[in-house]
Amino acid sequence: RKEVEQDPGPFNVPEGATVAFNCTYSNSASQSFFWYRQDCRKEPKLLMSVYSSGNEDGRFTAQLNRASQYISLLIRDSKLSDSATYLCVVINEKLTFGTGTRLTIIP
Amino acid sequence: ETGVTQTPRHLVMGMTNKKSLKCEQHLGHNAMYWYKQSAKKPLELMFVYNFKEQTENNSVPSRFSPECPNSSHLFLHLHTLQPEDSALYLCASSQELDGFQPQHFGDGTRLSIL
Repeated sequence: RKEVEQDPGPFNVPEGATVAFNCTYSNSASQSFFWYRQDCRKEPKLLMSVYSSGNEDGRFTAQLNRASQYISLLIRDSKLSDSATYLCVVINEKLTFGTGTRLTIIP
Repeated sequence: ETGVTQTPRHLVMGMTNKKSLKCEQHLGHNAMYWYKQSAKKPLELMFVYNFKEQTENNSVPSRFSPECPNSSHLFLHLHTLQPEDSALYLCASSQELDGFQPQHFGDGTRLSIL
């Protein structure tokens, strides 16, 4: 089992819809979790941290499920500008990136 | 097995030393990247190479010198580093220089400057 796994997609979602994707991790001792966003020809940029109690930032909600060892990202009222690749990052003794989920918002 | 191998995994060096980090990818990718990951900071892009040519230098101090002899290998030469350079250095590769292509990251080299 890979340390961090993401569905590569692509997810093609109509504008205004809600979309969610998960990231599973294998190390139960993992302590820190993040979602990164990567745009075309750009470096991955931090989107949000993921806290145990779940956290929300505008249209974005991140959640952590320690029992099932996954984190999730929910995007409500999706915009065309949300089209990007979303990378999850898990940190225990080292930092491990998922390979990313590609999201395309369709007009 | 990540397909992107970085060596060494850990490196401790003094400020006057010269060392090199190595990255090798076995994925047949054309683009390679160096990133810096400092504690509690977002990932910072340092250099980008596409088909062995440097396409981006993100205002990196000259004490970091990249080298890309071929599409499979990437080096980061270090000299006269500062304590604030202590960080995790990540190499990544992607099929093309395109943010929609997934980047495959190596495990990183954890660098400590004494």
